[in-house]
Amino acid sequence: DGGITQSPKYLFRKEGQNVTLSCEQNLNHDAMYWYRQDPGQGLRLIYYSQIVNDFQKGDIAEGYSVSREKKESFPLTVTSAQKNPTAFYLCASSKGTSGTGELFFGEGSRLTVL
Amino acid sequence: ILNVEQSPQSLHVQEGDSTNFTCSFPSSNFYALHWYRWETAKSPEALFVMTLNGDEKKKGRISATLNTKEGYSYLYIKGSQPEDSATYLCALFLYGGQFYFGTGTSLTVIP
Repeated sequence: DGGITQSPKYLFRKEGQNVTLSCEQNLNHDAMYWYRQDPGQGLRLIYYSQIVNDFQKGDIAEGYSVSREKKESFPLTVTSAQKNPTAFYLCASSKGTSGTGELFFGEGSRLTVL
Repeated sequence: ILNVEQSPQSLHVQEGDSTNFTCSFPSSNFYALHWYRWETAKSPEALFVMTLNGDEKKKGRISATLNTKEGYSYLYIKGSQPEDSATYLCALFLYGGQFYFGTGTSLTVIP
């Protein structure tokens, strides 16, 4: 079945450590996105990519990094520079880059900093 | 940062009631408006994608309208059922590739 897979589902990190969240899609979608959700807030865009080897910062990119070396993969690294990394992270993809293609979401990764 | 507002924040209705929610957004730079349903412990799923002023979309008991000139979209649910309980998100797509999400409306349908 085609879909979008995020891993791990739950992750615990000590302060000062970098962690990488995986996002893989087999839908042949062009665009991929990373969002963060905090309690009581909507989904906030961290990074997005519309084409391989290119990506743009969203509103809250500080402390995060991404890569898009393959069309199907868009991993997110939460670095030690991210001051409040405990959150729920959602990856999404869409066909095309016009905004008319619906977003498909992974199941999310919940990161807790100890 | 673009402000996409949804109201109400939460809603409790009796089974069989009809209900509606609002998504408000700045009318300039509009490109597309999406509605998603997010059930607990699942991934958000697309309901509608709308691009034209006056668009109306329908899927079963759920429908949506779009007014790009005044910057709002309504989502209607007719005859709510317990399985409609979820958070409903709207998202605005801007030219350049960014989706901006509202904070959502949490709907609980009481049997």
